[in-house]
Amino acid sequence: GIQVEQSPPDLILQEGANSTLRCNFSDSVNNLQWFHQNPWGQLINLFYIPSGTKQNGRLSATTVATERYSLLYISSSQTTDSGVYFCAVVVRRALTFGSGTRLQVQP
Amino acid sequence: EAGVAQSPRYKIIEKRQSVAFWCNPISGHATLYWYQQILGQGPKLLIQFQNNGVVDDSQLPKDRFSAERLKGVDSTLKIQPAKLEDSAVYLCASSRSGNTIYFGEGSWLTVV
Repeated sequence: GIQVEQSPPDLILQEGANSTLRCNFSDSVNNLQWFHQNPWGQLINLFYIPSGTKQNGRLSATTVATERYSLLYISSSQTTDSGVYFCAVVVRRALTFGSGTRLQVQP
Repeated sequence: EAGVAQSPRYKIIEKRQSVAFWCNPISGHATLYWYQQILGQGPKLLIQFQNNGVVDDSQLPKDRFSAERLKGVDSTLKIQPAKLEDSAVYLCASSRSGNTIYFGEGSWLTVV
């Protein structure tokens, strides 16, 4: 099946810093989503982004489907950004997840 | 719009016992998914329904796991008998078109 790899696996930032998370996938996909999993386990949908670039406040995402990667940018990070960020690709209408990037933002 | 509802939120059982989780998807969402998330890993698809039909259950351990969505709305996931390695969060999700997929808060299972 399709492989989804995320990097880095762990990231520690000081509040106010910027970061880039990467997601590589091994095959063509119908779609791609980015999620944030908060400390209580809730998966929050950040972006639905099959291609191109989208922005939502301090977060933005870019997917280059032809090169099989997506990037999530976090600017001016806040402690509330802490948690695990997952990239998931849609294959046959179901999500296949990467292993996530665990982000810790320190005050 | 109400989100995906799941219950119970937390459950502790002994190995070899049974447990059932319930999910009510977002109104109008034809596609319903059950995912298993083991601590430190990404969620893994167990089963996908389209209305009340099964689309994909290739990763469901059918010797102990079962799921149903009889009327094409809410769904139940059952584990019988439970093993220690079934300790995980069980996430229900739904989608209208298979594009944006929305998750519930999850049901946390501990098998002791």
